[in-house]
Amino acid sequence: DAKTTQPNSMESNEEEPVHLPCNHSTISGTDYIHWYRQLPSQGPEYVIHGLTSNVNNRMASLAIAEDRKSSTLILHRATLRDAAVYYCILRDQIQTGANNLFFGTGTRLTVIP
Amino acid sequence: NAGVTQTPKFQVLKTGQSMTLQCAQDMNHEYMSWYRQDPGMGLRLIHYSVGAGITDQGEVPNGYNVSRSTTEDFPLRLLSAAPSQTSVYFCASRSSGGASEQFFGPGTRLTVL
Repeated sequence: DAKTTQPNSMESNEEEPVHLPCNHSTISGTDYIHWYRQLPSQGPEYVIHGLTSNVNNRMASLAIAEDRKSSTLILHRATLRDAAVYYCILRDQIQTGANNLFFGTGTRLTVIP
Repeated sequence: NAGVTQTPKFQVLKTGQSMTLQCAQDMNHEYMSWYRQDPGMGLRLIHYSVGAGITDQGEVPNGYNVSRSTTEDFPLRLLSAAPSQTSVYFCASRSSGGASEQFFGPGTRLTVL
């Protein structure tokens, strides 16, 4: 499975935008870029995913570099509820086998009131 | 929909005891999986299933058994608990498709003395 690299931790002030980076220089042409987050004492939850184009949903935006070797998760206005560990994960869109999610250690986001 | 449910929420075992962690989903998902999360680490895949009657090993399967007799249920059995199995266990499910969202349960916090 292709690997991703994320900073261990980041801080943001409340109500300001947050840009969480992810490097995936060995991404293959069929890999989706998925983001999950894990709030304290909870299971991970899906945030967003994309393939080539930038994506928006009610939780966040995903900006994907033109060469797809990096991406950025954007939270437009951080709230205290957004304090979590954010995981960037690659998953092959071709359904071979179980196509499981493999988690790294993610980025711990601290939101400062 | 209840989503993915896990029982119990907390469990304390003595070394050598056995037990079963329960997981159920009501979304008719084909894929189910078990992860463990040790302090300060990401999730690691224990076992997974791509459908009723089909299971396979993940990254850290030793000491655990699974079975999948129905689409809804995917129990995880600890055969002879060891202190190294002290962890938080998460069950997850998703539908088929490389981009499908994975849903996680709330977790079971297990301590083995």
